[in-house]
Amino acid sequence: QQQVKQSPQSLIVQKGGISIINCAYENTAFDYFPWYQQFPGKGPALLIAIRPDVSEKKEGRFTISFNKSAKQFSLHIMDSQPGDSATYFCAAQAGTYKYIFGTGTRLKVLA
Amino acid sequence: KAGVTQTPRYLIKTRGQQVTLSCSPISGHRSVSWYQQTPGQGLQFLFEYFSETQRNKGNFPGRFSGRQFSNSRSEMNVSTLELGDSALYLCASSLDTSAGELFFGEGSRLTVL
Repeated sequence: QQQVKQSPQSLIVQKGGISIINCAYENTAFDYFPWYQQFPGKGPALLIAIRPDVSEKKEGRFTISFNKSAKQFSLHIMDSQPGDSATYFCAAQAGTYKYIFGTGTRLKVLA
Repeated sequence: KAGVTQTPRYLIKTRGQQVTLSCSPISGHRSVSWYQQTPGQGLQFLFEYFSETQRNKGNFPGRFSGRQFSNSRSEMNVSTLELGDSALYLCASSLDTSAGELFFGEGSRLTVL
C-alpha cells in the first residue's frame, strides 16, 4: 500500500517528441506528488509537483497530469531535448510522513 | 545560499568494517532525510531526523543508524558492512514539518569489497 509504481523503466525519445512517464499509488492519504530529475553524478532535484486538488499543472515544457479516482499521475515532457536526458523519479507523501519514491525512469532523448 | 553538503563523496571499505557519512543541510533546514540509491531499486528511505529526533524510519536493519546534532547536521553509520551495502547514499534537507521540496546533496558513493 505504501508503494509507488513507476513505468517505464527506460524511455528513448526523439528530439522534439513527447516523453511520458507514469506512476500509480494505492494509499489515498498521499497529498503531495512531486517529480524529481537526476543527472549523472548529481543528487535528484525537484522538477515539478502537484497536490490532489488540481488535475493538471504545467511549468514550461513539463506537465503533471493527475487522476485522483484512478490513483495515477504522469509526467509529460513536451518538445523533449537532449538536455532532458536524465533519470526521473515520481514520489508521493502523506503529511509529514516519509516520501515514497518510484523506482525511476531513465530517459534518453536522441539528437 | 550553500546547498546540502555530503562528505566524503567516495569511499571504499571492506566487509565487516563500519562507516560514518556526514551531511550538512541548507542553513535553516531542520529536517534531514537519508536515502540509499542502487540501480533498479531507486531511492530507498533510510530515516528522517527533525530537531534531533528520528521522526520516520525505513525498513533497513539495525546496522544502519543515524543521528542529528543541534545545528541540524546529521550523520549516518553503517556497521558490519556487507557487499550489498554498496550504494550511493543521499542526504536531503527540507525546511520544516510540512510536506514540501527535498533538497538533495550529491551523495556519498560507498563501495564495499
